[in-house]
This record gives sequence, structure tokens and C-alpha cells, in this order.
Amino acid sequence: GQSLEQPSEVTAVEGAIVQINCTYQTSGFYGLSWYQQHDGGAPTFLSYNALDGLEETGRFSSFLSRSDSYGYLLLQELQMKDSASYFCAFNDYKLSFGAGTTVTVRA
Amino acid sequence: KAGVTQTPRYLIKTRGQQVTLSCSPISGHRSVSWYQQTPGQGLQFLFEYFSETQRNKGNFPGRFSGRQFSNSRSEMNVSTLELGDSALYLCASSLGSSNTEAFFGQGTRLTVV
Repeated sequence: GQSLEQPSEVTAVEGAIVQINCTYQTSGFYGLSWYQQHDGGAPTFLSYNALDGLEETGRFSSFLSRSDSYGYLLLQELQMKDSASYFCAFNDYKLSFGAGTTVTVRA
Repeated sequence: KAGVTQTPRYLIKTRGQQVTLSCSPISGHRSVSWYQQTPGQGLQFLFEYFSETQRNKGNFPGRFSGRQFSNSRSEMNVSTLELGDSALYLCASSLGSSNTEAFFGQGTRLTVV
């Protein structure tokens, strides 16, 4: 079957860098996506890795290594507004989400 | 451009009733997927429609059904509601089927009492 594991909570201070790891098991997928969800809000797309390597989008970067069944999301220059839940997800015919990581940014 | 619109935003129903939720995708998007989000189970895939055809279905009982219209708008229906159906129901639209970037609506918060 498929599974994705990510830490449940991460706390950091403003300006810091946070890395959210996502380890997975699957027989195949198109790529790995990352979504952000604020309390009471809709998940919003952050990044997608179809191939191994690093994808950079502003303060957020995502990495995928298919050989290691591993990916991560890197949040740089943390801001208070980055306090949210972050989900990694397989892309195939649907999105299969991990349980999510709650990031709390402190002043 | 307008985002994904879900109606209603909030709904309270009684056990045994049925409910219909609506989703209007982003203009031009032909794929609409539905997800259930609960604190215990997280985000779970319900089904996906593309050009009025259900192409994929998740592991939910037959009480959960849906459809898509020619204008890509989609509805999902839950019959014989159970307390455990209380959840946030999210609709996502995308251009194609691999969900490279899915755009989510704000969701419908369903409470079954």
C-alpha cells in the first residue's frame, strides 16, 4: 500500500529555517506535492516535484529523492503568517495526503 | 480569475438525512475531485470526475456519490447520514488528471447531529 510519514509538529522562531521531512512508501506515483493549510482555510498548493532534485519557489523549496523514498519542504526566513499545517501528497490520479505537520512560528 | 466555489459553507443535518454539496471549479478546469477532512483521518480522497465521468473512487461506502455536469460543476451527495460523516468536505479542481496543481475550495463544514 501507500503511506507518507511526516512529523506532527514543528516550532521555530521568526527568521529561522524549518525543514519538514516526508518519507513514503508507494509502488509508483507521478510526483510529490506540498500544500499549506491555515486553520479554517483551504489547502493551497506550494510546490511539486516530478523529478529528483530541488524546486525553489521564493522562500519555499522542495526536494525529492525517489531512490531514498524521501522528500522535504524547506521554509526559509520564517514569518508569523507561515504558522499553518503543511501536507506532503502523492500525485497519481488523486492526491494522497500525509497526516500533516503543524508549524508554529514564534516571535 | 474566480477560484473554486463551494456551497453551502456550513450545514447541520440530522442522522438519517441526506445532503447535497456543490462545487464550481475554476473556469476551464475539467477535473473535479472531492476530499473529506477529519481530525482523525486527515484528508481522504472520495472521488474524481473528468468531463462528466467518474474516473476514480476512494474507499468510501456507496452512501457517498457524486456527479459532474457539462459545465464541469460537480455535486456530491451523502445519503443516510451518520455521525461519523461530520467533516470538512473539500472540492479541488485542476486542468488535467495528474493533479499537478490542484486548487481547493473553502470547503463545506458538515455537522451531523
